[in-house]
Amino acid sequence: GENVEQHPSTLSVQEGDSAVIKCTYSDSASNYFPWYKQELGKGPQLIIDIRSNVGEKKDQRIAVTLNKTAKHFSLHITETQPEDSAVYFCAASNFGNEKLTFGTGTRLTIIP
Amino acid sequence: DTAVSQTPKYLVTQMGNDKSIKCEQNLGHDTMYWYKQDSKKFLKIMFSYNNKELIINETVPNRFSPKSPDKAHLNLHINSLELGDSAVYFCASSKRLASGTSSYNEQFFGPGTRLTVL
Repeated sequence: GENVEQHPSTLSVQEGDSAVIKCTYSDSASNYFPWYKQELGKGPQLIIDIRSNVGEKKDQRIAVTLNKTAKHFSLHITETQPEDSAVYFCAASNFGNEKLTFGTGTRLTIIP
Repeated sequence: DTAVSQTPKYLVTQMGNDKSIKCEQNLGHDTMYWYKQDSKKFLKIMFSYNNKELIINETVPNRFSPKSPDKAHLNLHINSLELGDSAVYFCASSKRLASGTSSYNEQFFGPGTRLTVL
C-alpha cells in the first residue's frame, strides 16, 4: 500500500518569512495530493490540492509543487501570518480510490 | 448549519465499557469515513462507507463496528474499550464521482470526538 513520509515534524518561522513542508510517497499509481490544515481542537480542512497532470498550483500565499519522477511534493507558504500556525498534513491517493494516506504531520509555529 | 457533526465531543469512560460515537453530514455526500488520530497526531483511516455499504475496512480490531443507517449517518460503536483506544476520532464525508471521471472530491472532516479510556 501507499506510504507517505512528511518532514519536518515541527517548523518555526518568523512572521513574514516563508515555510516549506515536504512529503514523499511510495506508490507510483497515486495521482492526487491534497494538503490539510488542522487548527487546535478542530478537524483537518483542505487548503490546496494538486493532481498529477500539473507540476505546480498556487492559491494566494499557498503553493504546492509536485515532482512525479522523484515522488515528492511540497507545500510553500509565503508571507506567513500568526493564523498560519497549525498542524499541516499531506496526503496521497488515486482517482476512484477514496482512501487517503496521510503523512505524519508538521506543526508549524509562526513567531510574531 | 454544520456540515459534518459528531457527538459527543468528549467521551471519558472506563476500560471494558461499550460506547458509541455518532456522525451526521448534511452535505448530500454519499461516502463517509472514520479516522483515528493518536496522541502523536498520526491520522489513519479506519472505515469507509458508500451508500451504506462498507468499502474500506482497514486492520481494525473487531471491537470496532461501524453502522450506517442511511447515507447521512455513520456511527461508530466500540465494545470492551481498552486504554489504547484513547484517541481523537474524526468522521469525514465526500461525494463519490461517477465512474470514468478523472477527478477527486474533497473530504470534509467533522470536529472530532476525544475519547479517553481510564
